[in-house]
Amino acid sequence: DTGVSQNPRHKITKRGQNVTFRCDPISEHNRLYWYRQTLGQGPEFLTYFQNEAQLEKSRLLSDRFSAERPKGSFSTLEIQRTEQGDSAMYLCASSLAALAATYEQYFGPGTRLTVT
Amino acid sequence: QKEVEQNSGPLSVPEGAIASLNCTYSDRGSQSFFWYRQYSGKSPELIMSIYSNGDKEDGRFTAQLNKASQYVSLLIRDSQPSDSATYLCAVNVGGRRALTFGSGTRLQVQP
Repeated sequence: DTGVSQNPRHKITKRGQNVTFRCDPISEHNRLYWYRQTLGQGPEFLTYFQNEAQLEKSRLLSDRFSAERPKGSFSTLEIQRTEQGDSAMYLCASSLAALAATYEQYFGPGTRLTVT
Repeated sequence: QKEVEQNSGPLSVPEGAIASLNCTYSDRGSQSFFWYRQYSGKSPELIMSIYSNGDKEDGRFTAQLNKASQYVSLLIRDSQPSDSATYLCAVNVGGRRALTFGSGTRLQVQP
């Protein structure tokens, strides 16, 4: 399978704990995005990388959230001191920046976070 | 006003009918438009992209874009029960790389 992969698929944690999620994009894709989705809503943008550079962060991304993409390959999203409001599906997507400037993004299966 | 708006539905159509899903957006500078399908508990799956005014067809799906009126629509012909899902409209608002999504329209195809 050469699609976007995410781990873990499910995470249950207690309030105040730190969690880290991993995303492996489609191998030739140089852009990687993180989104968050809550029930009944569309995904909301969190941040994106082109290669290893983090080029944009949403105002939704509080200082408890940090993302990295070392060497421009996989990415990690860490949430420190989790709160119940962080419970959501965390989605990773990737795309290929090309001369045609298409922005088609392909999503991974997501990591469902439950904070108790 | 939300940047991308969709009717939440549910939109109920009989099997074999045409389902019509609509989306409006607020930023006239938007250039790229996408439709994703999302089954319950799953992640969004890209089904159509459209960049120019007019129609774009792919199998049973047709995307329609009207930049002057700032709307994009998705038609599903010969609807099947397996098409029952939430359809998300996504836009690169203002040319940003990030996608802005509507809240989705839930489609129910009745056998």
